[in-house]
Amino acid sequence: AQTVTQSQPEMSVQEAETVTLSCTYDTSESDYYLFWYKQPPSRQMILVIRQEAYKQQNATENRFSVNFQKAAKSFSLKISDSQLGDAAMYFCAYRSEGQGGSEKLVFGKGTKLTVNP
Amino acid sequence: DSGVTQTPKHLITATGQRVTLRCSPRSGDLSVYWYQQSLDQGLQFLIQYYNGEERAKGNILERFSAQQFPDLHSELNLSSLELGDSALYFCASSVGLVSGLAEAFFGQGTRLTVV
Repeated sequence: AQTVTQSQPEMSVQEAETVTLSCTYDTSESDYYLFWYKQPPSRQMILVIRQEAYKQQNATENRFSVNFQKAAKSFSLKISDSQLGDAAMYFCAYRSEGQGGSEKLVFGKGTKLTVNP
Repeated sequence: DSGVTQTPKHLITATGQRVTLRCSPRSGDLSVYWYQQSLDQGLQFLIQYYNGEERAKGNILERFSAQQFPDLHSELNLSSLELGDSALYFCASSVGLVSGLAEAFFGQGTRLTVV
């Protein structure tokens, strides 16, 4: 079964600094999709960034970028120029697709990010 | 607004009771996922439906069941409720059938409290 591990339960960063959140996953599949979601105190799940496994180029969305290492099964999130509004729980997620519309979207336990002014 | 609607937003019930949580997916999305998020925990994948049929199962208890109707809305039924079932239950939807990189859109969740 696919599993997603986020080894940092909590992280903190100073405003305007850079922080990296770690994520590793376990799978035997060759093609899959990886996501980072953000959950602010409102509890709404918000997509931050996504990556397809067969694409080696790391995805970037404004201040958010990933370091995808397929062989190491690692998918870390880098937040540059951290802002107070970045404070949230961050979840790494893995999606695999099977036959006939079967999809498992599996999440890690999350990393709570605090941004200090 | 994600376009995914969950009702009710809050639910308080007693142990041993049965409740039904409802989810209306985003227009055009065929795939619906259900998740349980306990206090300070990650999202536990429960079950996924595609176009009315169960397609993937996660850590769903036998006391829990779900279905997706022809109009694509989905219901999660929780029975013989225990205190430990208190959690935030999320529904998400995506296009389905090889969603690939397509975003899964989440509802606001239903906060279930079992007393």
